[in-house]
Amino acid sequence: KAGVTQTPRYLIKTRGQQVTLSCSPISGHRSVSWYQQTPGQGLQFLFEYFSETQRNKGNFPGRFSGRQFSNSRSEMNVSTLELGDSALYLCASSLGGDRGEKLFFGSGTQLSVL
Amino acid sequence: AQTVTQSQPEMSVQEAETVTLSCTYDTSESDYYLFWYKQPPSRQMILVIRQEAYKQQNATENRFSVNFQKAAKSFSLKISDSQLGDAAMYFCAYRRARGGADGLTFGKGTHLIIQP
Repeated sequence: KAGVTQTPRYLIKTRGQQVTLSCSPISGHRSVSWYQQTPGQGLQFLFEYFSETQRNKGNFPGRFSGRQFSNSRSEMNVSTLELGDSALYLCASSLGGDRGEKLFFGSGTQLSVL
Repeated sequence: AQTVTQSQPEMSVQEAETVTLSCTYDTSESDYYLFWYKQPPSRQMILVIRQEAYKQQNATENRFSVNFQKAAKSFSLKISDSQLGDAAMYFCAYRRARGGADGLTFGKGTHLIIQP
């Protein structure tokens, strides 16, 4: 069974631009969550999608948005990039039925904002 | 708001020995889940072990076990017979069992070094 796939692995953007990151979950998983990882703030929850609906949302500004498609693939978008958005963005998938269930993570997208 | 604290930024252990990583958390909830995730240099987070707060029995997974002290809000991870492949960042995480619009709350992590 293929794991969680995130594309691209690395991305370099300049301030003010926007970026879209992609996540393909494990087949059969209906929940996709996104996390931001930085050296200063650590791992922070962005949002969770389940069956194309945003089910949970972390404390991030509206510049961070996401969506989920009918095949459970998910994208997250960051508009008007700031230097502080430089981070590793991790996607995780799960079956989606239990808040305590195991999450399967991808290898992340490393975003650098110059 | 929930917080998770890992007080050891870095730990070092000799191969084949036992090491314990500490984690404390703060919550007003009575029902929740606790996790230990491992992040090797590949960056992919991997679940090591999971504990349900309503279960008094400590979870174990092969060489990995936890010491869950609910009253003290403590959740330490013990790794027995340490192996070179155990070298990684280890993150303690919390999630309440119901309600709220949150995901996992992570600690800042402990960098585990295995000395050959």
